[in-house]
Amino acid sequence: ETGVTQSPTHLIKTRGQQVTLRCSSQSGHNTVSWYQQALGQGPQFIFQYYREEENGRGNFPPRFSGLQFPNYSSELNVNALELDDSALYLCASSRPDGVEQFFGPGTRLTVL
Amino acid sequence: AQTVTQSQPEMSVQEAETVTLSCTYDTSESDYYLFWYKQPPSRQMILVIRQEAYKQQNATENRFSVNFQKAAKSFSLKISDSQLGDAAMYFCAFSPLAGEKLTFGTGTRLTIIP
Repeated sequence: ETGVTQSPTHLIKTRGQQVTLRCSSQSGHNTVSWYQQALGQGPQFIFQYYREEENGRGNFPPRFSGLQFPNYSSELNVNALELDDSALYLCASSRPDGVEQFFGPGTRLTVL
Repeated sequence: AQTVTQSQPEMSVQEAETVTLSCTYDTSESDYYLFWYKQPPSRQMILVIRQEAYKQQNATENRFSVNFQKAAKSFSLKISDSQLGDAAMYFCAFSPLAGEKLTFGTGTRLTIIP
């Protein structure tokens, strides 16, 4: 069984640019959640997608947006990048009746 | 809104000894889920143990056990027979519903002394 995968592993962008991060959920999982983890902090919930619809959102501005596809993979898009967007972005998937979220290895985004 | 507090930024323990990591939380919910996640330098968040609030019995997973005190809103993790591979950041997390958003604490960095 393949776990949660994320791409790319690392990414460097310039302030003002746009970025797309990708996540493939674990087999049999239909829910994907995205988290932002700043250096030295715990992850912060960005939003969750369930059956291609947004199902809850944290305290992040609209320039953070997402998509979920019919195969339950997901994208996180961030527009107008700011220096403070530099962080590890974690994706997690869960089963329809699951309690546990399974995390991917993350994408390290650096904004210069 | 729920909050999770981990008051120990760093802890260290001798190999083979026992260590306890602390976590407190605040919520008005009566049913919820609590988790301890481990994040090694590889960055991948790994579930260590979970506790359903409606269960009075403390969860255990091999060398890992919790002390869940619902009235005190306390959820500590005990690691017995500490091993070098236990070295990592440990995060306490709260979820109001199964599979719903997780609220994390700020983490405790655990160092194992050989």
